[in-house]
Amino acid sequence: DVKVTQSSRYLVKRTGEKVFLECVQDMDHENMFWYRQDPGLGLRLIYFSYDVKMKEKGDIPEGYSVSREKKERFSLILESASTNQTSMYLCASSLWQGAPGNTIYFGEGSWLTVV
Amino acid sequence: RKEVEQDPGPFNVPEGATVAFNCTYSNSASQSFFWYRQDCRKEPKLLMSVYSSGNEDGRFTAQLNRASQYISLLIRDSKLSDSATYLCAARSDSNNRKLIWGLGTSLAVNP
Repeated sequence: DVKVTQSSRYLVKRTGEKVFLECVQDMDHENMFWYRQDPGLGLRLIYFSYDVKMKEKGDIPEGYSVSREKKERFSLILESASTNQTSMYLCASSLWQGAPGNTIYFGEGSWLTVV
Repeated sequence: RKEVEQDPGPFNVPEGATVAFNCTYSNSASQSFFWYRQDCRKEPKLLMSVYSSGNEDGRFTAQLNRASQYISLLIRDSKLSDSATYLCAARSDSNNRKLIWGLGTSLAVNP
């Protein structure tokens, strides 16, 4: 089974702090994604990466950056956390484009509260 | 118009009922579609993928209607444990990497 692991499940950070959310997948997937999910707004893509050191902005990249130094690891960085970044953050991975049925697998989520 | 739209519900049904949700998509070039189930405060989990006319897995059937640009999810003999939010997604970008998500349909199965 695909395993996507988000090491930090629950975090409370202060406004202005730098926050790192780490994600590791064990299935040699090329694509990795960071989403945030908020009530009424659904899943919104922050950034995704289709290869090591490659990244593309998603729908809401402002206030975030990412790092992918190794294929299995994709980090989300909040340079200066703000209260409007309080949310559930979901990491996901998938195979390269390939077959049409390739799907996305999610980690368990990281609940971030910024106070 | 959103690229992927779902009726948010909630759908309240008794145990044993049959319930169906629809999901419409705007990009006629979309090739594959997915239904995910999400329990409260949990991550979405794949329920079914659809990239031809349809797919069936036990009590669950997903159908694709390309002419009208929608997919449906049918749940037969509903169980209490089917209570969840059901997310629809379409694979849409030119390199077939990203999914476009609906906001989800909430289902409550009542005893």
